[in-house]
Amino acid sequence: EVQLVESGGGLVQPGGSLRLSCAASGFTFSDYSINWVRQAPGKGLEWVSYIDSGSGTIYYADSVKGRFTTSRDNAKNSLYLQMNSLRHEDTAVYYCARDASSGWSRFDYWGQGTLVTVSS
Amino acid sequence: DIQMTQSPSSLSASVGDRVTITCRASQSISRYLNWYQQKAGKAPKLLIYAASSLQSGVPSRFSGSGSGTDFTLTINSLQPEDLASYYCQQTRSPTWTFGQGTKVEVK
Repeated sequence: EVQLVESGGGLVQPGGSLRLSCAASGFTFSDYSINWVRQAPGKGLEWVSYIDSGSGTIYYADSVKGRFTTSRDNAKNSLYLQMNSLRHEDTAVYYCARDASSGWSRFDYWGQGTLVTVSS
Repeated sequence: DIQMTQSPSSLSASVGDRVTITCRASQSISRYLNWYQQKAGKAPKLLIYAASSLQSGVPSRFSGSGSGTDFTLTINSLQPEDLASYYCQQTRSPTWTFGQGTKVEVK
């Protein structure tokens, strides 16, 4: 069974840092690109970042570029999101989502999400 | 960036009704359009990809159509369990964007 489990969320002050993790199981992690998607309380979905299977291509939304860094460790079946210089508007549930790739990009499996709250 | 605009932002329909949600892209995205369903407190679920391909395990009452800039998600014979928000997503450009969502209420 494909599973993605996020962790690392919590309360952080503005300007602070946090590192999220996404642990994958049930599939060959190194074969798939993965995305981070976030959802502010009561709001819609916002794509945050993409990393391909070999970490050769990484994209970021303009809203996080220069502050967030996505990485992965295929040996540990894990994805990471290092978030620096956090702002109130970064408060959201953060999901990792597998990209089925194979021609048509689509997010076919999602984790349950981890809540990040940026507040003083 | 490609902007995605959904309409309506919310709707209310009865069990058995046919429901249509539209999504418009700010520029042509061919058929690089996905639809997701999100129930309250849960992660999104993929329904439709490549504009009209049904994801495995998704009921056949869900269907998608369109290409270029205009797309439609149709729910034939709305069921109580279809209470959810629905989002379109473009994957034409490598900064994937979602529509703002449509909240579906079942009367």
